[in-house]
Formats: sequence, C-alpha cells, structure tokens
Amino acid sequence: AQSVTQPDIHITVSEGASLELRCNYSYGATPYLFWYVQSPGQGLQLLLKYFSGDTLVQGIKGFEAEFKRSQSSFNLRKPSVHWSDAAEYFCAVGAGGFKTIFGAGTRLFVKA
Amino acid sequence: NAGVTQTPKFQVLKTGQSMTLQCAQDMNHEYMSWYRQDPGMGLRLIHYSVGAGITDQGEVPNGYNVSRSTTEDFPLRLLSAAPSQTSVYFCASSYSVLAGGYNEQFFGPGTRLTVL
Repeated sequence: AQSVTQPDIHITVSEGASLELRCNYSYGATPYLFWYVQSPGQGLQLLLKYFSGDTLVQGIKGFEAEFKRSQSSFNLRKPSVHWSDAAEYFCAVGAGGFKTIFGAGTRLFVKA
Repeated sequence: NAGVTQTPKFQVLKTGQSMTLQCAQDMNHEYMSWYRQDPGMGLRLIHYSVGAGITDQGEVPNGYNVSRSTTEDFPLRLLSAAPSQTSVYFCASSYSVLAGGYNEQFFGPGTRLTVL
C-alpha cells in the first residue's frame, strides 16, 4: 500500500541554520511527490513538486528537495532558515486513482 | 480570484445533528476534494470529485456525503454527527485530472468542527 513517512514529529533549528526535513514514501511506480507548508490557522500551500526529470527540484521561499529513488526519499532542505519558516510541513505522494497520500507532518520551530 | 473558499470557519454541533460544510472555487478546476486533519495523522481524504456529477470515496468516507452539481461547488454533508468527526476539514481543488489528479492542489482555509 502507498504510504508516506515523516520520521520527525517536530524539529527545532536556530535562525540562520540549515534545515533538512525527511520524507520516505512507499509506492510501486514512479511517484509524483509534493511538499506543502501550513502556517498556523491556514490551509496548505505548495512548496514544490517532483514529477520527473532533474532529481533536485527548486521551490518557493528558497526551499529545495531531492528525489532519491534508491532510498525512496524526498527530503526538503533550506540553507538558511528564517523565523517566518516556522510552520508545519507535509510531504505527499500521488497514489493513483486521483488520490494523494499525505504524511503526518513535521512541525518546525525556529529559535532566535 | 477568491481561490477556494470554505464556510463556516468554526462550527459546534451536538451528537446526532446534521450539517453541510460549504466549499466553492472560482478557478474552473475539474478536481475537488475534502480532507480531514487530525493531530499526528496528517490529512486524510474523505471524498473527491473529478467533475460535475462525478464523485468517489477516499480513505475515510463513512459518515459523510458529497455531491457535485456544478464545477464551482463541492459541499460535504455530515449525516449524523459523532464526536469522532471532531476535526479540521479542508477543501482543495486542482486544475486538471489529466495527470491523474497529481497536480498541485489549492486549499481552502479550513473549517474547525467540534462535535459534543
């Protein structure tokens, strides 16, 4: 069955430090992968997506993610975190039949 | 464009009551969906639609009904509310079903529902 695992429930980083959020998926075919961000009290917004081609994809707000088929991973990275990046981040996979499976989310805290 | 709008923002129901959560989009999107968000569980798909008159079940459809009479609107009906339906509900839409619904989804601001 298709699934998405985000191993870290929450992460705390200092402002200006680098960030990596982990995502592992289970899917039999070539996956369609997404990262969404949810600010408090808001709906989700797409950060970036991977459908095919270059395995390093760039997104909005300075985020990037790398697709590694051998590791079934799609980790999200940012070289320097800003206080405004504090939010919850969701990894998702297109699961066939018009369905998208979301991970449980990772909440990011940024300390000054 | 208003994007995806949802009403109400907050709702409190008593067990056994019914209600409809409204969702509308003005982007002429074919694909619309309803999710519920619970702590530690991410978003789970309740129902979805790939066009007017076409709906299907998602991962957690029990206790919910949907219909899609127009491209713009996709209401979610709770038939007999239960405390287990206390959650935050998100409606989302996507501009094409040609890629199997894997395009970017645009989310509404959510409805926070409490069932007592």
